Amino acid sequence: GQNIDQPTEMTATEGAIVQINCTYQTSGFNGLFWYQQHAGEAPTFLSYNVLDGLEEKGRFSSFLSRSKGYSYLLLKELQMKDSASYLCAVNSGGGADGLTFGKGTHLIIQP
Amino acid sequence: GAVVSQHPSRVICKSGTSVKIECRSLDFQATTMFWYRQFPKQSLMLMATSNEGSKATYEQGVEKDKFLINHASLTLSTLTVTSAHPEDSSFYICSARDEPEAFFGQGTRLTVV
Repeated sequence: GQNIDQPTEMTATEGAIVQINCTYQTSGFNGLFWYQQHAGEAPTFLSYNVLDGLEEKGRFSSFLSRSKGYSYLLLKELQMKDSASYLCAVNSGGGADGLTFGKGTHLIIQP
Repeated sequence: GAVVSQHPSRVICKSGTSVKIECRSLDFQATTMFWYRQFPKQSLMLMATSNEGSKATYEQGVEKDKFLINHASLTLSTLTVTSAHPEDSSFYICSARDEPEAFFGQGTRLTVV
């Protein structure tokens, strides 16, 4: 079966750094995605990792270790607007396959 | 980046009626599109894979006759919720891949009363 685990909720302070972890056990692996979702809205794409290592995009970075079935999303210089749910999703097949999503991590940013 | 447009964003319908949701890829062709459902405070669950020119592939537990999918062109997929009931009230989201990324429509909030 497919299993993706991430913390349910995290709290961080404005201006600080937060790391959201994701572990996965899937039948196959063809890339891992991170999405941001505000309440009542569709997810927006943040990052994609298919090879081991760190991908950096401005204030957001994502890391992948395929041997460990592990990824994290790193958010720097946190802003109040970063309060949202962050979804980890795995493509266990090819381009014709849908994604399997974790339950999402609700991130609360405090002043 | 690629844009996926979904319509309508909100719909309220009476129990027993049918509702059609459209999903369009605006600047790329998508032979495959995906339909997800999300209940409050839950994650996105894949319902079905829509294939242009052929039958959709449904995930286990999703009723084919209730959730009709048509993928008539390379840029349009539709999901019709037939004989809707209150338990079908949910947030429905479509997605299309523009390799390697996956983009999502704006979502449709369906409320069945």
